[in-house]
Amino acid sequence: AQSVTQPDIHITVSEGASLELRCNYSYGATPYLFWYVQSPGQGLQLLLKYFSGDTLVQGIKGFEAEFKRSQSSFNLRKPSVHWSDAAEYFCAVGGGTSGSRLTFGEGTQLTVNP
Amino acid sequence: DAGITQSPRHKVTETGTPVTLRCHQTENHRYMYWYRQDPGHGLRLIHYSYGVKDTDKGEVSDGYSVSRSKTEDFLLTLESATSSQTSVYFCAISEKGGDYGYTFGSGTRLTVV
Repeated sequence: AQSVTQPDIHITVSEGASLELRCNYSYGATPYLFWYVQSPGQGLQLLLKYFSGDTLVQGIKGFEAEFKRSQSSFNLRKPSVHWSDAAEYFCAVGGGTSGSRLTFGEGTQLTVNP
Repeated sequence: DAGITQSPRHKVTETGTPVTLRCHQTENHRYMYWYRQDPGHGLRLIHYSYGVKDTDKGEVSDGYSVSRSKTEDFLLTLESATSSQTSVYFCAISEKGGDYGYTFGSGTRLTVV
């Protein structure tokens, strides 16, 4: 069965600092990988996705993620964080025998200090 | 934004009562999903649908049932609500299945007292 682990429950960064959120997945074949963001009281919005090809994926709001098969990772990065990036971030994996379903990680809560 | 709405947005109900949550889409997407979100657990799949009258269980389906009688509506029913079902419930839709990602609704916050 596929699974996703987000090792960091909560991360705090200063505005303007760089950000990396970790995501590790377990999956037997080439996964379909996603990052979603959830602002307080809102639904989840897709930031970016990886299906195949270039392992560095660009998303909205200046985010990018890199797929590393050897490390089973899909970490999310942003070079300079803005206060509006404070939110909860979810990594998800799909594909293959999961049929049409995505499996989500537990989420990482990001706090941005002024 | 994709046309997906959940109703109600908030609900308080008593233990033992049945509750139905509605997800309505205007995108004509084939796939629809119900997840619950709880602190420390992320999102967990309750049930999903891959077409009218075609549904399947997710990882936390006990105590829940679903129905999809038409493409645009996916109903989640808590047959006899318990306090452990206090949660935020999200509906999601997808045109081609999870491999292509979801679009989420705004959620329903359910409190069982």
